[in-house]
Amino acid sequence: GESVGLHLPTLSVQEGDNSIINCAYSNSASDYFIWYKQESGKGPQFIIDIRSNMDKRQGQRVTVLLNKTVKHLSLQIAATQPGDSAVYFCAENYFGNEKLTFGTGTRLTIIP
Amino acid sequence: ETGVTQTPRHLVMGMTNKKSLKCEQHLGHNAMYWYKQSAKKPLELMFVYSLEERVENNSVPSRFSPECPNSSHLFLHLHTLQPEDSALYLCASSQDRRSTEAFFGQGTRLTVV
Repeated sequence: GESVGLHLPTLSVQEGDNSIINCAYSNSASDYFIWYKQESGKGPQFIIDIRSNMDKRQGQRVTVLLNKTVKHLSLQIAATQPGDSAVYFCAENYFGNEKLTFGTGTRLTIIP
Repeated sequence: ETGVTQTPRHLVMGMTNKKSLKCEQHLGHNAMYWYKQSAKKPLELMFVYSLEERVENNSVPSRFSPECPNSSHLFLHLHTLQPEDSALYLCASSQDRRSTEAFFGQGTRLTVV
């Protein structure tokens, strides 16, 4: 069945360093992938998405890479800040389907 | 502040109680969602409404009953819940059901005793 998983449940990074959060997916028919950030006591917040016809997309301090060959997705956060501490979820879906499939999340902790 | 507001933030209810969760958005979005977030589990989609019509019911028990009276409001009516229903219930909205960007509320932390 469909599944979206993350390689590591927790990740600690020194403030100012870059961080990479990984995600594996199994549905080769997925049309797009999304990264969400969830801070403590808050709902998930959209960060960035990428369509399946792209390999890379950049936002403000974030880059998402998509490797369809190995069904792997990553979120790179540059020059991490304390405010980046949160749980990060990847999600995938295909057009015409309302049901986003979420992973279990990676908790990113930024060490001052 | 995402523009999606949920009330109450916390709710404790007995298994015989009836309560309702409320979600409100004034973003002009046409699609609204209920998700359940349990510890160490992925977010689970419960219901999807598009233009006030339910388009997805993801095999949710009947003790959860959604209501969408207009495009800005979404309710989740709860009755005879079980302790395993304790979780964070998140409401979200998006421009339409095909939009990739959903805006989430802060959630209602529900505890069933």
